[in-house]
Amino acid sequence: DAGVTQSPTHLIKTRGQQVTLRCSPKSGHDTVSWYQQALGQGPQFIFQYYEEEERQRGNFPDRFSGHQFPNYSSELNVNALLLGDSALYLCASSLPEYNEQFFGPGTRLTVL
Amino acid sequence: QKEVEQNSGPLSVPEGAIASLNCTYSDRGSQSFFWYRQYSGKSPELIMFIYSNGDKEDGRFTAQLNKASQYVSLLIRDSQPSDSATYLCAVNGLTGGGNKLTFGTGTQLKVEL
Repeated sequence: DAGVTQSPTHLIKTRGQQVTLRCSPKSGHDTVSWYQQALGQGPQFIFQYYEEEERQRGNFPDRFSGHQFPNYSSELNVNALLLGDSALYLCASSLPEYNEQFFGPGTRLTVL
Repeated sequence: QKEVEQNSGPLSVPEGAIASLNCTYSDRGSQSFFWYRQYSGKSPELIMFIYSNGDKEDGRFTAQLNKASQYVSLLIRDSQPSDSATYLCAVNGLTGGGNKLTFGTGTQLKVEL
């Protein structure tokens, strides 16, 4: 049973650039959530996708956008990168009727 | 007031002892409660969830929920060095049409030989 996968594992960008992170949910799951985890902090909710629509959004600026594809995989896009965007980006998948969310290994983004 | 509060620790316990981790939350509408374990440099791993008041046991882990006091705890019996990690408490309020998780900052647990 394949778990949640994310790519790439690590990424280094410079300020002002754009980045796309990818996530494939756990087999059978159709809901994908994205979180940002800064060093020493708990994960912060960015947004959630279900049926290819943004279902819920956290307190993140419009520079953060996403997409969900018909196969339930998802992308997180961040434009105009800032130094403060350096963090571990986590994708979690779940079923819409259940609240348990399972995380992928994460993408470590460093903005220089 | 933070939405989900945890003592950052570190909490140090000897091997074989019971580790007690605590969490309080501010939203009385919260429905579901989760404990995640996160090893350094890794992603969070779901270890327990609880929806109803009372205790829920799974192996060496027991989750306790008291909605009236807005309090969740995790007990780890017979603590092992491999339990050394950061434990994240997360709460789901089912508001806004989705099921976002709100996390505390985590408690670092160290199990000493």
